[in-house]
Amino acid sequence: ETGVTQTPRHLVMGMTNKKSLKCEQHLGHNAMYWYKQSAKKPLELMFVYSLEERVENNSVPSRFSPECPNSSHLFLHLHTLQPEDSALYLCASSQDGRAFATDTQYFGPGTRLTVL
Amino acid sequence: AQKITQTQPGMFVQEKEAVTLDCTYDTSDQSYGLFWYKQPSSGEMIFLIYQGSYDEQNATEGRYSLNFQKARKSANLVISASQLGDSAMYFCAMRFLFGNEKLTFGTGTRLTIIP
Repeated sequence: ETGVTQTPRHLVMGMTNKKSLKCEQHLGHNAMYWYKQSAKKPLELMFVYSLEERVENNSVPSRFSPECPNSSHLFLHLHTLQPEDSALYLCASSQDGRAFATDTQYFGPGTRLTVL
Repeated sequence: AQKITQTQPGMFVQEKEAVTLDCTYDTSDQSYGLFWYKQPSSGEMIFLIYQGSYDEQNATEGRYSLNFQKARKSANLVISASQLGDSAMYFCAMRFLFGNEKLTFGTGTRLTIIP
């Protein structure tokens, strides 16, 4: 595997379900990100981890719970979601999130989530 | 606060023609980086090109170039000799130079290349 991978690519869940999204980066980076992309809205940054420490949480509802066990893996645990949470969830990684503006973020293919 | 504006929701361009995608930004900071990403229908955001606010030369990467006009706060993406595979959403993004991981995105432009 190369780059940033995400599983599953598609997920349909009910509002009472619990599921997890997985992201893995094979780039040797130290920072990882979760973004939400809804129709006709700019990408929204949800969480940032740098060296496995959460450094930013943009007031995301508690029904979204991130986990970063090491610098290569990032999870987004989902529970009791709402239909408006249906979106494309993108994971990204970068060399060192805190350092420089040249720190380019590389994205995975995303998980298309539908909440019924 | 930083803000990115992409005023072209959609564009249609004939194959092999050049196309310019507009991006303007608003920030009071002097040190920042500008990025362009391509998002095909598959969903993946593909990094295309980067321009630093202190870079004196416009960035170029193959068929992509960035027309950076700092005084006008614009960072337009130019694609030369467009190809059918260029059909996608294109996003302009910006972040501060130091100590802030946040990448602020515009709303995107949907580019369609016509054969």
